[in-house]
Amino acid sequence: GAGVSQSPSNKVTEKGKDVELRCDPISGHTALYWYRQSLGQGLEFLIYFQGNSAPDKSGLPSDRFSAERTGGSVSTLTIQRTQQEDSAVYLCASSLRSSGFLSGANVLTFGAGSRLTVL
Amino acid sequence: EDKVVQSPLSLVVHEGDTVTLNCSYEVTNFRSLLWYKQEKKAPTFLFMLTSSGIEKKSGRLSSILDKKELFSILNITATQTGDSAIYLCAMETSGSRLTFGEGTQLTVNP
Repeated sequence: GAGVSQSPSNKVTEKGKDVELRCDPISGHTALYWYRQSLGQGLEFLIYFQGNSAPDKSGLPSDRFSAERTGGSVSTLTIQRTQQEDSAVYLCASSLRSSGFLSGANVLTFGAGSRLTVL
Repeated sequence: EDKVVQSPLSLVVHEGDTVTLNCSYEVTNFRSLLWYKQEKKAPTFLFMLTSSGIEKKSGRLSSILDKKELFSILNITATQTGDSAIYLCAMETSGSRLTFGEGTQLTVNP
């Protein structure tokens, strides 16, 4: 597509429920990232995909968080047994970055985010 | 651990003022530094800097990098209310992730 699409844009859930957040990156972008932004905070890295594999998942805060990417395109971030501290905006971004070292440039294009509120 | 620190965290100015936003960093394997503007939701790309001392410019915005002193500045001249946003500085290091600072919340009052 023309931009990075995320759904849902807003999700309100009860503590303990599972949620799935979806990201549809720009067509042809091989790299896909998930970040989390809590109120008044900067962006916290969660996970990075190159194609369908995740060479860096070190930012996932606990084993309740998981993500997958299929067909080198759509990605789903799943949060199990949600807690109130999971409330945040979850941002997805994609880039043309291919595997291996490229000097400089990893310009990410971001989606509008999914705002998650856990009651 | 890679670290990006932005200052000030928040700034309120009047239209027409010039502002300077700061970004300092500690990274093990520097590749590039990027500035993003975040108004409502999605951060949008402003500049990418890889070399020291070369100014990047776009309209009233400009940015420069100092790799010796490990910092970058973002300047906005003749500010307008539409410049109100969070300005994010990010570092690209080896491993392909971008590490972001906390951001500077800029408010431009009429």
